[in-house]
Amino acid sequence: ETGVTQTPRHLVMGMTNKKSLKCEQHLGHNAMYWYKQSAKKPLELMFVYNFKEQTENNSVPSRFSPECPNSSHLFLHLHTLQPEDSALYLCASSQVGLAGGGSTDTQYFGPGTRLTVL
Amino acid sequence: GESVGLHLPTLSVQEGDNSIINCAYSNSASDYFIWYKQESGKGPQFIIDIRSNMDKRQGQRVTVLLNKTVKHLSLQIAATQPGDSAVYFCAENNNAGNMLTFGGGTRLMVKP
Repeated sequence: ETGVTQTPRHLVMGMTNKKSLKCEQHLGHNAMYWYKQSAKKPLELMFVYNFKEQTENNSVPSRFSPECPNSSHLFLHLHTLQPEDSALYLCASSQVGLAGGGSTDTQYFGPGTRLTVL
Repeated sequence: GESVGLHLPTLSVQEGDNSIINCAYSNSASDYFIWYKQESGKGPQFIIDIRSNMDKRQGQRVTVLLNKTVKHLSLQIAATQPGDSAVYFCAENNNAGNMLTFGGGTRLMVKP
């Protein structure tokens, strides 16, 4: 148990559906991340939130919409996805130094949501 | 059609032997490195980390070696056990914020 939980663990959705993935961290961290892990590619960073502010959007299509209401919760809203979006979506958190970023930020991952888009 | 999976390098070792997993990193400015273990159906799990001012760090049954000259990182697992079977990823922080860049991973298979 890493202190990062994700729900649901599995999700099957049609291309016209709207769904949301939820992540919660119980580690007191101030930065949270969404990653995509597919069978075809290595781990890909999607979004970064530092102190609840989005600091990185790694060229992610607009059909993925993140939301970070507070430093413990992170959502990924999904709409009109494509079959190629099927993947494992991982959330992570870390403690960033007050200077706005540090080189020793170990990221702790949740178990992921296995998403299948039909 | 069916997706073609990412081809991962595979290391197959006998239970009880030592394992060495290697990683080449790309950015000479990277100053912090992490090894993660990912078992089937789970998220990556932190194993051990090392800063660039060190060349070796030991944990419980694991050792990480860093060679900055050739930008190479290795993870050594002593007395490998079946529970060590997983995919192992290295990650680097290039000292430009809190983002990590991950390697493609190596699959470790432990034969009983």
